[in-house]
Amino acid sequence: QVTLKESGPVLVKPTETLTLTCTVSGFSLSNARMGVSWIRQPPGKALEWLAHIFSNDEKSYTTSLKSRLTISKDTSKSQVVLTMTNMAPVDTATYYCARRTTIAASGLYYYYAMDVWGQGTTVTVSS
Amino acid sequence: DIQMTQSPSSLSASVGDRVTIPCRASQSISYYLNWYQQQPGKAPKLLIYAASNLQSGVPSRFSGSGSGTDFTLTITSLQPEDFATYYCQQNYMTPWTFGLGTKVEIK
Repeated sequence: QVTLKESGPVLVKPTETLTLTCTVSGFSLSNARMGVSWIRQPPGKALEWLAHIFSNDEKSYTTSLKSRLTISKDTSKSQVVLTMTNMAPVDTATYYCARRTTIAASGLYYYYAMDVWGQGTTVTVSS
Repeated sequence: DIQMTQSPSSLSASVGDRVTIPCRASQSISYYLNWYQQQPGKAPKLLIYAASNLQSGVPSRFSGSGSGTDFTLTITSLQPEDFATYYCQQNYMTPWTFGLGTKVEIK
């Protein structure tokens, strides 16, 4: 059974750095078909994709937050870590991690989707 | 970045109705479009991948269509558990982006 679970602080102060951990089970972070993304959702608002780490350690970030985000993984611990610097109240949100996998292939084309999500962890930014 | 537009942001429907939810990409994304359902207080759930393929375990009343820039999620015979918010997401290129969602509410 594939599971992902987010962990981290519930409350951070403005200007602090947020560190979130996603612990996965049921698959390996070294599997070439898989990677892990972080997505957030402010209260009452839409999903926002933040960052992704591929099996080969390649990383990708959302444009607007690229300067503040760092994603990394520890394959031996089955963990993916997201850090976000200079936190502000607008960063208050539920943060999800999700597995992105090769879900289908058709000839030369491969299709991907975030097929398993963690339950999310709520982070409030307030002094 | 590719912008994903979902309009309307909400719609009202009754149990048993057929519902169509549109999604438009700001540029062609071929078939690299996924649909997710999010019920209140829960994590999103993958419904449709590659524009028209039903994820395992998802009821057959859900279907997806489209390619290029215009896509549609259809729910035939809406059930009580289908009242939720639906998001489209493009996988064509990073940064991957979600639409703002369409909330299906009870009429």
